[in-house]
Amino acid sequence: DAKTTQPPSMDCAEGRAANLPCNHSTISGNEYVYWYRQIHSQGPQYIIHGLKNNETNEMASLIITEDRKSSTLILPHATLRDTAVYYCIVKTGANSKLTFGKGITLSVRP
Amino acid sequence: KAGVTQTPRYLIKTRGQQVTLSCSPISGHRSVSWYQQTPGQGLQFLFEYFSETQRNKGNFPGRFSGRQFSNSRSEMNVSTLELGDSALYLCASSLAGRATGYGYTFGSGTRLTVV
Repeated sequence: DAKTTQPPSMDCAEGRAANLPCNHSTISGNEYVYWYRQIHSQGPQYIIHGLKNNETNEMASLIITEDRKSSTLILPHATLRDTAVYYCIVKTGANSKLTFGKGITLSVRP
Repeated sequence: KAGVTQTPRYLIKTRGQQVTLSCSPISGHRSVSWYQQTPGQGLQFLFEYFSETQRNKGNFPGRFSGRQFSNSRSEMNVSTLELGDSALYLCASSLAGRATGYGYTFGSGTRLTVV
């Protein structure tokens, strides 16, 4: 599976959009981009995934660049409860494991 | 619907002992994966079971083993515990696991402390 690179941390104001970047320059054509988050001392929570089209669900939006070398997770109206570590993962269907990096720590400030 | 249930939530064991952790997946989910999380190494994949068969294995010593039952419930066992085995052990279930398009649902984990 391709590796991902995320900045270690970022913060945003409550109510504003949080845009979390992820680089995956070695992604191959059959690899999907997944985002999970982990709130302190809880298990990771699935957020969203996509292949090449932008995706949106009730939690977030995922924007994948046309060359698929990077993506951005967007939390449209961040709340204090969105403070967590966010993991960007690329994965093929042939491999069942999730390879977690260090993730990005998002701090939402009041 | 009920989420992924892991028992026990907390466990304290002595070096040299063995431990068994349990995971009940979401009803209908046939894939169960196990992960170890430590401050130093982060989240690391242990193994994955699908239909009672180990389908993938991470880079852990043979002291770490697991199994899956016909009802998809899974257990993992760690023998001859070492201090470094102290960690949060997480279980995740998925409809198919390997196929893309399905997310994994994680349990809250078992916090193991080896003294």
